Amino acid sequence: GAGVSQSPSNKVTEKGKDVELRCDPISGHTALYWYRQSLGQGLEFLIYFQGNSAPDKSGLPSDRFSAERTGGSVSTLTIQRTQQEDSAVYLCASSLGGRRNSPLHFGNGTRLTVT
Amino acid sequence: KNEVEQSPQNLTAQEGEFITINCSYSVGISALHWLQQHPGGGIVSLFMLSSGKKKHGRLIATINIQEKHSSLHITASHPRDSAVYICAVRRYYGGATNKLIFGTGTLLAVQP
Repeated sequence: GAGVSQSPSNKVTEKGKDVELRCDPISGHTALYWYRQSLGQGLEFLIYFQGNSAPDKSGLPSDRFSAERTGGSVSTLTIQRTQQEDSAVYLCASSLGGRRNSPLHFGNGTRLTVT
Repeated sequence: KNEVEQSPQNLTAQEGEFITINCSYSVGISALHWLQQHPGGGIVSLFMLSSGKKKHGRLIATINIQEKHSSLHITASHPRDSAVYICAVRRYYGGATNKLIFGTGTLLAVQP
């Protein structure tokens, strides 16, 4: 596609349920980032994938959060046993990556509401 | 202390004014990004800088690597410039670049 695509755009779930958020980066982009933005807050880094290297998971807030990137393209962020504090907009971004500096391209985000 | 600091946090300007938003960082970087986020909207990359100055239309971005400081300028501001402007640095780890670190953003409101 022309840009970074995220789905779903909105997700409402009950506390304790698991959710999966999907990101389709721009074709050929080897770097993929997940961030989240809580209401009125800045962007919080979650996880970074670069090619076949081990992902940088240093931003994941708890072991309820996990992410994978299959085939170096699509990425899925999974939140298990959701809590109300997980409510936020989850943003995905991609870039050409590697040692090259290249512009970031953001998806429109998934707005997650945990009731 | 945050590794990336932006100022001001909030800025209100009158249409036509010259606007400056500042970003200071405390880590070694390979690149700095300026991003724009409209209310309820997505994030758009405005600039990526590793040195010097870049200009797109009414927007100018500068970076001083020695002082670890960048500025985003908007000339002849317009209400449609109202948005959150975010500075992000790509941290440099001895030859291998890594994750982005974001500032908390500057909320700009341009009044007609």
